[in-house]
Amino acid sequence: GAVVSQHPSWVICKSGTSVKIECRSLDFQATTMFWYRQFPKQSLMLMATSNEGSKATYEQGVEKDKFLINHASLTLSTLTVTSAHPEDSSFYICSALLAQETQYFGPGTRLLVL
Amino acid sequence: KNEVEQSPQNLTAQEGEFITINCSYSVGISALHWLQQHPGGGIVSLFMLSSGKKKHGRLIATINIQEKHSSLHITASHPRDSAVYICAAETSGSRLTFGEGTQLTVNP
Repeated sequence: GAVVSQHPSWVICKSGTSVKIECRSLDFQATTMFWYRQFPKQSLMLMATSNEGSKATYEQGVEKDKFLINHASLTLSTLTVTSAHPEDSSFYICSALLAQETQYFGPGTRLLVL
Repeated sequence: KNEVEQSPQNLTAQEGEFITINCSYSVGISALHWLQQHPGGGIVSLFMLSSGKKKHGRLIATINIQEKHSSLHITASHPRDSAVYICAAETSGSRLTFGEGTQLTVNP
C-alpha cells in the first residue's frame, strides 16, 4: 500500500524557536496533502490543505503566519511552526491524497515546546 | 453540537464479542471514513464509504445516507483490535471532519 512518512517523529524545543516537520509520500505523487493537529484526548483537527505549487488553504482559526506550509514538490510538504510556544505542543499528522481519492496518513510528529 | 458524533466514547469487550461503534453526521458528505488510531498515534484507514456496506476480514462498515448514520462492526473481537476508532466525514476538497473517537479495549 501507499506509504507516507513524517520526520521527525519526536521533537522537543525551547519556546520561541521554529520547528520544521516534513511529510513525504514515498511511493506515489500527491498534489494535495493535509496537515492535522491532535491535542491529548481530543479528536484530530484539520489545520490546512497543502497544494503543490500553490498556497496552502488554512482552516478558520489557524494562523497562516505561524504555521507555514510549503508544498514544493509532488512528494514533499513541510509544516513549520514558527516561534513555537508551549500551547503549540501537540501531535501533528499529515496525510497525502492518492489519485485525488484516498488519504494515506503519516505516522505523526509529537512536538513538545518547553 | 459536533458535526460528527460517535458513540460510545469508550467500549470494553471480552475477546470474541461482536462490537458495534456508531457514527452520526450532520453535514453533507461525499464519503464517510473509518480510521483506526493505535496507541503510538499512527492512523490506518479502514474504510471509505459512500453507500451501502463494505467488509474487510472481521470488519464491516455500513452507511445509511438518508439517516446520516454509519456503523463499524467487529466480529470475533481480539485484544489486538484494541485501539481508537474514528469516523470522519469527507466534504468538498477531500476535507475530513473527525468524530471524537471511540476507545475500544478488548480483554483476553
